[in-house]
Amino acid sequence: GAGVSQTPSNKVTEKGKYVELRCDPISGHTALYWYRQSLGQGPEFLIYFQGTGAADDSGLPNDRFFAVRPEGSVSTLKIQRTERGDSAVYLCASSLGGGERVTQYFGPGTRLLVL
Amino acid sequence: AQSVTQLDSQVPVFEEAPVELRCNYSSSVSVYLFWYVQYPNQGLQLLLKYLSGSTLVESINGFEAEFNKSQTSFHLRKPSVHISDTAEYFCAVSFFSSNTGKLIFGQGTTLQVKP
Repeated sequence: GAGVSQTPSNKVTEKGKYVELRCDPISGHTALYWYRQSLGQGPEFLIYFQGTGAADDSGLPNDRFFAVRPEGSVSTLKIQRTERGDSAVYLCASSLGGGERVTQYFGPGTRLLVL
Repeated sequence: AQSVTQLDSQVPVFEEAPVELRCNYSSSVSVYLFWYVQYPNQGLQLLLKYLSGSTLVESINGFEAEFNKSQTSFHLRKPSVHISDTAEYFCAVSFFSSNTGKLIFGQGTTLQVKP
């Protein structure tokens, strides 16, 4: 079946602009995660959704970052007033949920470059 | 703090030689353990996982990893590598105490297979 998809694959923007990154999880997966991967680093957790609600947003770096999942499927990560330090690959992952269904499957990522 | 350490940032090895990529985590609570592989300009692909049961787990392409609870390790091994195994490898841990399933990643190990 179809895996996790993310759009756009690449996004170039100017400092101060607003961007939206989209994630379409695997059908039937109730859990959705966003991670950020800086160059040469491992991914870092940003936010976790169980269904429509953000169950853990402890990884969001500041209030410029926000994410939604209004219908419990597609999620959008929103970044306001972008800064050059926001440049990274943003990864989305989904899973069936808790316990041994915790295995996460990742999308190809969105490469964000802030000029 | 919960953390994951990959002891080697780069591992150069000749084709058909054995390899071990090391991973240690810091936690006194139960964990789920994963290895992901990332090929250049691609997303993360699940290589193998330990959720419960046998502490030795295998992938379809010849990799194996062993969960050692006393040493809090989950080292990845392959008896004979191929050129196509050249990639970045990430160890990731989900700590039961988080209740969210979020993954904590190591910094990654670049496996360079030489002819």
